[in-house]
Amino acid sequence: EAGVTQFPSHSVIEKGQTVTLRCDPISGHDNLYWYRRVMGKEIKFLLHFVKESKQDESGMPNNRFLAERTGGTYSTLKVQPAELEDSGVYFCASSQESGLVFETQYFGPGTRLLVL
Amino acid sequence: KQEVTQIPAALSVPEGENLVLNCSFTDSAIYNLQWFRQDPGKGLTSLLLIQSSQREQTSGRLNASLDKSSGRSTLYIAASQPGDSATYLCAARQGAQKLVFGQGTRLTINP
Repeated sequence: EAGVTQFPSHSVIEKGQTVTLRCDPISGHDNLYWYRRVMGKEIKFLLHFVKESKQDESGMPNNRFLAERTGGTYSTLKVQPAELEDSGVYFCASSQESGLVFETQYFGPGTRLLVL
Repeated sequence: KQEVTQIPAALSVPEGENLVLNCSFTDSAIYNLQWFRQDPGKGLTSLLLIQSSQREQTSGRLNASLDKSSGRSTLYIAASQPGDSATYLCAARQGAQKLVFGQGTRLTINP
């Protein structure tokens, strides 16, 4: 079974440009999460989807970030316009919750974003 | 606000030693706690997950414990090997959705 995949693996863009990150969760996982690690800091939560619905987007830094999950399958995270402080590693994770048991979140390899 | 701390930030031990990595959290109202390893330039690999009702979980040479009342979790690695060298992260499941991560412990096992 394929794990969580992310594309691209690396992206270098200039300040003011737009970048779109993609995440394909494990097949059948309704829950999809985005996290981010900026240099020298811990990994931080950005948002959570259940199928196509946003359940919690409390970690999104500002309105330059837009996440979508059309059809409840893959998700995209768009940064427009990108700023220097957006540089970091963006991780996607997925899980299949079952009732009241909170299951393991499986992480993708991450997208390394560098804004110049 | 939940804060997760991992001490030490880095640890270097000779091969074959048993070792313990520490994780502490400030809010005991967690749903579970997950331990990960991350190799340089790679993603996170889930090692163990302990539900809030459990005290410990074991997988091979790894044993993770959870003490919610004291806000602590430990990851015990038995008979360490050079292949265990990696950064180890703990994360507390907060609010039924998000994981709150520590900064990690960078472990080096010397042959």
